[in-house]
Amino acid sequence: GQNIDQPTEMTATEGAIVQINCTYQTSGFNGLFWYQQHAGEAPTFLSYNVLDGLEEKGRFSSFLSRSKGYSYLLLKELQMKDSASYLCAGRLDTGRRALTFGSGTRLQVQP
Amino acid sequence: SQTIHQWPATLVQPVGSPLSLECTVEGTSNPNLYWYRQAAGRGLQLLFYSVGIGQISSEVPQNLSASRPQDRQFILSSKKLLLSDSGFYLCAGRDRGTDTQYFGPGTRLTVL
Repeated sequence: GQNIDQPTEMTATEGAIVQINCTYQTSGFNGLFWYQQHAGEAPTFLSYNVLDGLEEKGRFSSFLSRSKGYSYLLLKELQMKDSASYLCAGRLDTGRRALTFGSGTRLQVQP
Repeated sequence: SQTIHQWPATLVQPVGSPLSLECTVEGTSNPNLYWYRQAAGRGLQLLFYSVGIGQISSEVPQNLSASRPQDRQFILSSKKLLLSDSGFYLCAGRDRGTDTQYFGPGTRLTVL
């Protein structure tokens, strides 16, 4: 199966670091994506991991461990504009290459 | 890089009325295209995907249908809307180079 689990809500302070975890069932899986979605808007792509390890992109980093079915998104130097939902999505290793999304983690950044 | 266009941005329709949402893609050819729906406070649910003209696969049985009359056009339709069809409808395309899915701006549908 492809259940994707992530915390519903998180709160962090401006300037701090926050880690958003995502766990999934590993069968038939190929690739783990992170998207940011501000309220009322479409998701925007943040990062993609297909191999184990850390991918860094400016203030955002994403980590994947395929054997453990675990990923996290790390946000550094938090800014108020980072308040949004963060969606973890796994891609099934089939021809359609569609994504299965978690319900998202709503992050509130406080001053 | 590809750009996904969707219209309309918002739509309010009565129960039992028909629906047509359009998605067009720029900057790529023969893309895989997807329709997702997001209910309020929920995750994204895959509705349909298409790997080419006239090729549609449905993920869940429902009141909706999809068509792909041209390579870069993907349409979501219904003959008679239900209250449960309300939601945020998102079209996505897969970039073959990066293997990443990119979303259009979405259509917020309210069925009353």
